[in-house]
Amino acid sequence: EAGVAQSPRYKIIEKRQSVAFWCNPISGHATLYWYQQILGQGPKLLIQFQNNGVVDDSQLPKDRFSAERLKGVDSTLKIQPAKLEDSAVYLCASSPLPGLGDDNEQFFGPGTRLTVL
Amino acid sequence: TQLLEQSPQFLSIQEGENLTVYCNSSSVFSSLQWYRQEPGEGPVLLVTVVTGGEVKKLKRLTFQFGDARKDSSLHITAAQTGDTGLYLCAGRYNFNKFYFGSGTKLNVKP
Repeated sequence: EAGVAQSPRYKIIEKRQSVAFWCNPISGHATLYWYQQILGQGPKLLIQFQNNGVVDDSQLPKDRFSAERLKGVDSTLKIQPAKLEDSAVYLCASSPLPGLGDDNEQFFGPGTRLTVL
Repeated sequence: TQLLEQSPQFLSIQEGENLTVYCNSSSVFSSLQWYRQEPGEGPVLLVTVVTGGEVKKLKRLTFQFGDARKDSSLHITAAQTGDTGLYLCAGRYNFNKFYFGSGTKLNVKP
């Protein structure tokens, strides 16, 4: 079974430029997450989709970040315009709908490392 | 606001030593997961603990969930160089939402 795919793996841009990241989750997974992981910290949830609807985007800086999940499959995360503090690894994860148990696992992609100069 | 505090932040030990990593919160979680992350990769799930007081063992790793479901610990016996990585705890709350701790960076020296 293929894992979560992300591209690009690395991106270097200058501040005020735009950038987009792509994620293809595991086939059949209903829930998709985007996390921001700043060096030395744990992942911070930016947005959570269930199918093509947004479940939680409370920590997404909506003045510059946007995300969509067309047709409930793959997803893109965009930053426009980028700031220096956006330098981080952007992780995409997916999980199936939780069942009766509480053991829902998130499967992570390798991440996109963004450097803003 | 950081809901999950992990300690220590960094740990460097010799191969064969034992260690314990802690994950503490003032919030109650419905379950808690432990992940390990290696450089350039995404986190990989090690275990999920659900019931207060639960203890789970995974070879040399022992995971415990506090009675009040607010804290957890990970104990590694006879650490190996392959255990090197970033250990993250993640608490589950509401419906399928997770909050990650700040992580413990473990380095096991040969």
